[in-house]
Amino acid sequence: DTGVSQNPRHKITKRGQNVTFRCDPISEHNRLYWYRQTLGQGPEFLTYFQNEAQLEKSRLLSDRFSAERPKGSFSTLEIQRTEQGDSAMYLCASSRDRIRRSSYNSPLHFGNGTRLTVT
Amino acid sequence: QQQVKQSPQSLIVQKGGISIINCAYENTAFDYFPWYQQFPGKGPALLIAIRPDVSEKKEGRFTISFNKSAKQFSLHIMDSQPGDSATYFCAASKYNQGGKLIFGQGTELSVKP
Repeated sequence: DTGVSQNPRHKITKRGQNVTFRCDPISEHNRLYWYRQTLGQGPEFLTYFQNEAQLEKSRLLSDRFSAERPKGSFSTLEIQRTEQGDSAMYLCASSRDRIRRSSYNSPLHFGNGTRLTVT
Repeated sequence: QQQVKQSPQSLIVQKGGISIINCAYENTAFDYFPWYQQFPGKGPALLIAIRPDVSEKKEGRFTISFNKSAKQFSLHIMDSQPGDSATYFCAASKYNQGGKLIFGQGTELSVKP
């Protein structure tokens, strides 16, 4: 399977604990994105990497959240001191750079997400 | 602030019918408008996308209609099938920010046999 892979698929944790999720993008994709999706809503952008550089972070990403992408390959998203409001599906997506300046945006390929439940 | 508004929230269509989902956006800087399909337990998958320099794009049974002056776009699913039952999301992004998508709230489509 050459799609975007996310682990674990499900995570149940108690409030106050730290959790870490992993995303393995499609191998030739140098852009990696994290989104959060709550029940009945569309995904919301959290952060974006181009290779190993984190280029943008949403205001939704509080200081309890940190994302890394060492060596520009897989990425991790860590949530410290989890709160019940952090319960959501965390989606990772990847894409490649546009080949030409005038070309269409390169489409995002999403993984199947990690569902976090904070009790 | 909801930059992309989607309707209806849910839709029931008979097999063979036409499913129509509408979206409206506010930011005139948006220039990329994809539609994603999501099945339960899965991530969203790109269905079809359009730029504002065309008014319509068709791929198989799926068509996007785009009205730049009204800042609206819609997804039409022709000959709807039970296998099309899923949640559909419209989205928008700015030039060179194709991966930073602003999604609508989603439409849960159910196609009855």
